Amino acid sequence: ETGVTQSPTHLIKTRGQQVTLRCSSQSGHNTVSWYQQALGQGPQFIFQYYREEENGRGNFPPRFSGLQFPNYSSELNVNALELDDSALYLCASSSQGIYEQYFGPGTRLTVT
Amino acid sequence: AQTVTQSQPEMSVQEAETVTLSCTYDTSENNYYLFWYKQPPSRQMILVIRQEAYKQQNATENRFSVNFQKAAKSFSLKISDSQLGDTAMYFCAFMTYTGNQFYFGTGTSLTVIP
Repeated sequence: ETGVTQSPTHLIKTRGQQVTLRCSSQSGHNTVSWYQQALGQGPQFIFQYYREEENGRGNFPPRFSGLQFPNYSSELNVNALELDDSALYLCASSSQGIYEQYFGPGTRLTVT
Repeated sequence: AQTVTQSQPEMSVQEAETVTLSCTYDTSENNYYLFWYKQPPSRQMILVIRQEAYKQQNATENRFSVNFQKAAKSFSLKISDSQLGDTAMYFCAFMTYTGNQFYFGTGTSLTVIP
């Protein structure tokens, strides 16, 4: 059974640029959630995707967007990067209706 | 709105000793789940233990147990026989029955001292 994987591991971008982060869900899971974890904080829910559609969103602006593909993998896109977007971005997969979520190792994004 | 509070930013414990991490939460829901996650320096969040709110019996997983006090909205984690590998950031998390997202606390950094 393959666990949740994320790419890249680290990323450095400049303010105003755009970034795409990727997540492959655990085998058999059809739901992907994204979280932002700022330094010294707990993860904050960005949004969830199920059957290729957004299925819930946290308090994040529209420049945070996502996609889910037929194989259930997912992308997180962030436009017009700001310094405060520097954080660890975590992806978690689950089966719809099942509360247990499995997390990936995260992508560390630094915005300069 | 749901909130989770961890009031102990840092804790330490001697190897083989017992330590308790505190967590309180606020919700108007009656049915929900509570979790403790561990995040070692490798960053991957690992589920330690979970509790369904409707269950009165406290959950136990090997050396890890919880003290769930629903009326007080308290959910503490006890680690017995602490091991060096327990050194990590520990997050308390909440999820409603009908929800799809975790609400996390700010974490407690636990160091096990040899």
